[in-house]
Amino acid sequence: GQQVMQIPQYQHVQEGEDFTTYCNSSTTLSNIQWYKQRPGGHPVFLIQLVKSGEVKKQKRLTFQFGEAKKNSSLHITATQTTDVGTYFCAGNSGYSTLTFGKGTMLLVSP
Amino acid sequence: NAGVTQTPKFQVLKTGQSMTLQCAQDMNHNSMYWYRQDPGMGLRLIYYSASEGTTDKGEVPNGYNVSRLNKREFSLRLESAAPSQTSVYFCASNEASGTGVQPQHFGDGTRLSIL
Repeated sequence: GQQVMQIPQYQHVQEGEDFTTYCNSSTTLSNIQWYKQRPGGHPVFLIQLVKSGEVKKQKRLTFQFGEAKKNSSLHITATQTTDVGTYFCAGNSGYSTLTFGKGTMLLVSP
Repeated sequence: NAGVTQTPKFQVLKTGQSMTLQCAQDMNHNSMYWYRQDPGMGLRLIYYSASEGTTDKGEVPNGYNVSRLNKREFSLRLESAAPSQTSVYFCASNEASGTGVQPQHFGDGTRLSIL
């Protein structure tokens, strides 16, 4: 079945440093979604990418979808303590259900 | 709007006991999902319902059953709980018919411990 791999599993940064998490799929994706889960909370949808090579920005967050639609990344510029949480990518192919990566846990020290 | 509501929020069971986790959404979504989340494992799909009256197995369905009671409600049942089913369970919903194209809205989760 479809597999979505995410790296790194964990990253600890100082406030103000940048952060990037990468997502790779074993198959070509129709779309990819990103979610954020705060400690003790539930996943919350951030963004969806559909087109090959697509780049979207939300304030300090930049999301990219690879040209081959098999990989994606989330980059946070100048992290803040409010960015703490686990970031998940999730993708699907055709009419399949979403497959979630295992997530990247981000810890930000002030 | 409440969004997706899950009950209970916490539960402790003994091995062999049965339990039903409840989920209701007020967004008029067609599709609903049950996931389990274990440390380091991400979210794994247990069962889903693409539309009222249909249910399908996900990645980890063994030991679980589901019922799509109506468009709003989707319940998850553990017939004979096992310690391996200790987890956080999330219910989610979206407008798509099982394609995953639309964003999923999650409930707050049920933290289930089985002794």
